[in-house]
Amino acid sequence: ETGVTQSPTHLIKTRGQQVTLRCSSQSGHNTVSWYQQALGQGPQFIFQYYREEENGRGNFPPRFSGLQFPNYSSELNVNALELDDSALYLCASSSGRLNTEAFFGQGTRLTVV
Amino acid sequence: GENVEQHPSTLSVQEGDSAVIKCTYSDSASNYFPWYKQELGKRPQLIIDIRSNVGEKKDQRIAVTLNKTAKHFSLHITETQPEDSAVYFCAATRGLMTTDSWGKFQFGAGTQVVVTP
Repeated sequence: ETGVTQSPTHLIKTRGQQVTLRCSSQSGHNTVSWYQQALGQGPQFIFQYYREEENGRGNFPPRFSGLQFPNYSSELNVNALELDDSALYLCASSSGRLNTEAFFGQGTRLTVV
Repeated sequence: GENVEQHPSTLSVQEGDSAVIKCTYSDSASNYFPWYKQELGKRPQLIIDIRSNVGEKKDQRIAVTLNKTAKHFSLHITETQPEDSAVYFCAATRGLMTTDSWGKFQFGAGTQVVVTP
């Protein structure tokens, strides 16, 4: 096990609703990256948080937002859910300073109906 | 931005044969190339990686080669076993020497490897 945990593991939401996904990073890691993995596709980079600040963003609209807390855990918030937001959401933690391996959590499977 | 293409999308091999997956990248500044294995319903797990100052790296039955000039890198699995069946993803990032981009991977679309006994 990697020590990166995500919650919840599964979630079903209705179109238009809002959702918050959570990620606890591995001990000693100060960087959390979020990815969206649609069925049959590779993970797509959403954004990254480094020491509580957003540190880069992929090609996702502003309704995807996030936070990182002083303990380096992180949240991903998605507003105004659309059907296409249905995917596996993965977070990966790493140590930005040490450039260590990025460890993935088990993911949250979000289904928007 | 970086674009990573991965081929083939599916690969069927007989147990004991070799499997090769190829990826190309567009950003010449990319300097770290990990390979992840993802079994059905599980998290991606790093199986091997290579840095831009190295041309080849081996770990038991797995090897990765990098051609910086051509901007492509490949995963080689020898003596395949049924437990090698999974989806394999290549990735690239330019963040090896800086905190600015570390952990921001551009992934390929994945290769479904099926090893038949």
